[in-house]
Order: sequence, then structure tokens, then C-alpha cells
Amino acid sequence: QLQLQESGPGLVKPSETLSLTCTVSGGSIDRSDYYWAWIRQPPGKGLEWIGNIYYTGSTYYSPPLKSRVTISVDTFKNQFSLKLRSVTAADTAVYYCARRPHNSFKFDYWGQGTLVTVSS
Amino acid sequence: QSVLTQPPSVSAAPGQKVTISCSGSSSNIGNNYVSWYQQVPGTAPKLLIYDNNRRPSGIPDRFSGSKSGTSATLGITGLQTGDEADYYCGTWDSSLSAGVFGGGTKLTVL
Repeated sequence: QLQLQESGPGLVKPSETLSLTCTVSGGSIDRSDYYWAWIRQPPGKGLEWIGNIYYTGSTYYSPPLKSRVTISVDTFKNQFSLKLRSVTAADTAVYYCARRPHNSFKFDYWGQGTLVTVSS
Repeated sequence: QSVLTQPPSVSAAPGQKVTISCSGSSSNIGNNYVSWYQQVPGTAPKLLIYDNNRRPSGIPDRFSGSKSGTSATLGITGLQTGDEADYYCGTWDSSLSAGVFGGGTKLTVL
């Protein structure tokens, strides 16, 4: 059974960089039929797609976040990561990692989510 | 402001049927597949419908999806109190080259 698990600091100071890692178990990340995605949800609000990465390293990012976001993949560790620079309180959210099949816009496996709070 | 528009809330009695709409444009719903997610507060979203109208294994046939033009609809029949949750639609936007979600709809089973 595929499992995804987010990890990283739960508190980040304003203007600093938010860094999260998603560890994939029960399956290989370097498969040609999947993208690996980050999605966030501010408290009490809806889902926001951040971006996704293919095992080759090719990426798509949300236009409003593109200038501040980097998603990378480490196939040896079976992990992919999110970096969001210059954070503000508006970046406070539960961050989810998820799997998306290459030929369909559906997120079929999700991590449990991790709350990241931006505060001094 | 979400790219896809959903009603903030819907409600119905146990055993009844409810529909949740998701409105978009030709660059997203009009030319791409739609998926739907159920989210119980405090938990991760769960895939309910993909490719407009297909159900993953384990999702009961009380849940259905449809699409017409630039709008999609999630239907739930035989409502149960356990169906109380937030529901989100999502799709790819070809103009933005980005994934987009609706703002979410809170379902109350009265």
C-alpha cells in the first residue's frame, strides 16, 4: 500500500524559507506514470495546488507562487521536497503531498498533511 | 477567489439526494477531466470521482459525477450523516498550465 508522509518544521519565521519533504513508501517515485504534487490549505479555507514534479525533474508551478517555489525530487531516497521562499503569514497552511497519475488530473494518494505556521 | 466556482454550502435530509455544482471555463473544465474530493475536517481529502464520472474502487455508487460544457456536478444519493464533509472539485487549467480547485462546498445532512 502506497504511503506518503510529510515532514519538516512546523514553525517558520516571516521572510524565511519553508522547507518540507514528502517520503514515499510502498512504491517507487521514479515511475513514468506519475507526478508528485504539493497542495496546501490555509486554516478554514479551500485547497490550493502549489505544483508538481515528474521523476525526471520537470516541474509545473502555480503562477502566483512560481517566483517563490521550488519542488525537487530525490529518487535515491524516494522523496520529493518543497521550498517556499520569503514566507508571510498568508503562507500559514496545512501542506499536503500527493500522487497524481500522469494521464489524469486526480490525486489518488495523499499524505496526512502537516501544519506550517509562519510567525515570529 | 477560486478559478472554479462552487456553492459554499448545501443541505438535505438523510436518505435524500443532493447535487453540488462546479463552474469553470473552456480553459479548465471545458477541455479537461474533473475530479472530486471529500474532506472530513482535520483529515486529508479523499478522491471520490475522477475523469468526470469514474469512481475509484471502494467508493459506493451513491456518489456520481457528470460534466456538461464548462460545468461539472457531483451527485450523492441516499444521504447519510457520515456524508457530512467539505467537497472540492479540481481540474487542470490549460491556459494557466496549473491545477485549480473550487472553493469547496460544505454538505450538511439535516
